[in-house]
Amino acid sequence: GQSLEQPSEVTAVEGAIVQINCTYQTSGFYGLSWYQQHDGGAPTFLSYNGLDGLEETGRFSSFLSRSDSYGYLLLQELQMKDSASYFCAVRLLIYNQGGKLIFGQGTELSVKP
Amino acid sequence: NAGVTQTPKFQVLKTGQSMTLQCAQDMNHNSMYWYRQDPGMGLRLIYYSASEGTTDKGEVPNGYNVSRLNKREFSLRLESAAPSQTSVYFCASSEAGGTTGELFFGEGSRLTVL
Repeated sequence: GQSLEQPSEVTAVEGAIVQINCTYQTSGFYGLSWYQQHDGGAPTFLSYNGLDGLEETGRFSSFLSRSDSYGYLLLQELQMKDSASYFCAVRLLIYNQGGKLIFGQGTELSVKP
Repeated sequence: NAGVTQTPKFQVLKTGQSMTLQCAQDMNHNSMYWYRQDPGMGLRLIYYSASEGTTDKGEVPNGYNVSRLNKREFSLRLESAAPSQTSVYFCASSEAGGTTGELFFGEGSRLTVL
């Protein structure tokens, strides 16, 4: 089966840096994505790592290590609006059918003043 | 830009009733997905369609059926609703194979089964 693990809750203060980790056990791994969800609304895409290393998009960065089956999302200069749920998702490679995404259970980030 | 549109947004059913959730995307995407999200949980894949004419089971397909009507539309049917199917249902779409890992989600359909 497929499994992804991430912390259920993280708390940080405004302006700080926070890292949300994700470890996975899957077959046919192709890449790792991160999504943000506010108050049960539509999840929105943040970043994708298809290769090992760091991807940077503004205040957000994401890292992948395939050998360790591990990735993380790094949020810098935290703002109150970053309070949300963050999900890691593994893209599985299925021959001739494209990929499907399996999500972790999410990390609730609370940003305090 | 509509993106991914789901209908209905809210629905209350009695146990045993049937209903269909509709999803349409206007981004010319090949792949479409149905997820469910329960309180405090992640998104669990019910079914997905890699391209028009194909569908495949996800993690929790029992009690559901899907139809990829055409490239734009992907519907989810509950034949005999059960209280365990009370959830928020999200439809999503992506370019072929989701090569960038990016899915575009609809706003969700909130279903309560009494």
